[in-house]
Amino acid sequence: DAKTTQPTSMDCAEGRAANLPCNHSTISGNEYVYWYRQIHSQGPQYIIHGLKNNETNEMASLIITEDRKSSTLILPHATLRDTAVYYCIASPTNFGNEKLTFGTGTRLTIIP
Amino acid sequence: EADIYQTPRYLVIGTGKKITLECSQTMGHDKMYWYQQDPGMELHLIHYSYGVNSTEKGDLSSESTVSRIRTEHFPLTLESARPSHTSQYLCASRGTVNEKLFFGSGTQLSVL
Repeated sequence: DAKTTQPTSMDCAEGRAANLPCNHSTISGNEYVYWYRQIHSQGPQYIIHGLKNNETNEMASLIITEDRKSSTLILPHATLRDTAVYYCIASPTNFGNEKLTFGTGTRLTIIP
Repeated sequence: EADIYQTPRYLVIGTGKKITLECSQTMGHDKMYWYQQDPGMELHLIHYSYGVNSTEKGDLSSESTVSRIRTEHFPLTLESARPSHTSQYLCASRGTVNEKLFFGSGTQLSVL
């Protein structure tokens, strides 16, 4: 799996868009970018994933740069419940390498 | 959405005891995983399974063992618990078609 780099922590005002960056400069052509989040001590929750096109679902949007070396997860209207650790992972969809590495992620705090 | 269950949610036990952490999923997923996570730290993969009778060790060395006799069940056993085993243990599963990882709520283990 390609190594990803994320800021350690970020703050965002409630109601604003939260933009979480991720660098994955060594990503290979068959690796997707996945985002998960972990609220307090619960199990991580899948958010979204994409290959090279931007993706949107009911939770978030994912913007991937044209060279695929970085991406941004966007939470359009952050709420207090979005306070969590967000993990960016680059991996093939078939998880050929099963040792999926989550890293330390970004601790996002939503400020009231 | 996720139908993956871990029991117990919390476990406090004395040194030297044998323990089994249970993990079951009702989604028919072939691949199952155990992660270990200390507070504020990364998730570390300790065991995974491709299917029945398949078990592999992950990146982080662990004294625990696992078994996969049935598709839906992936228990983790510690033969003799020690204080160094105190941690949160998270179970996850993934199907071959749907690439998302589904996590259980975790077991918080404290060994005194």
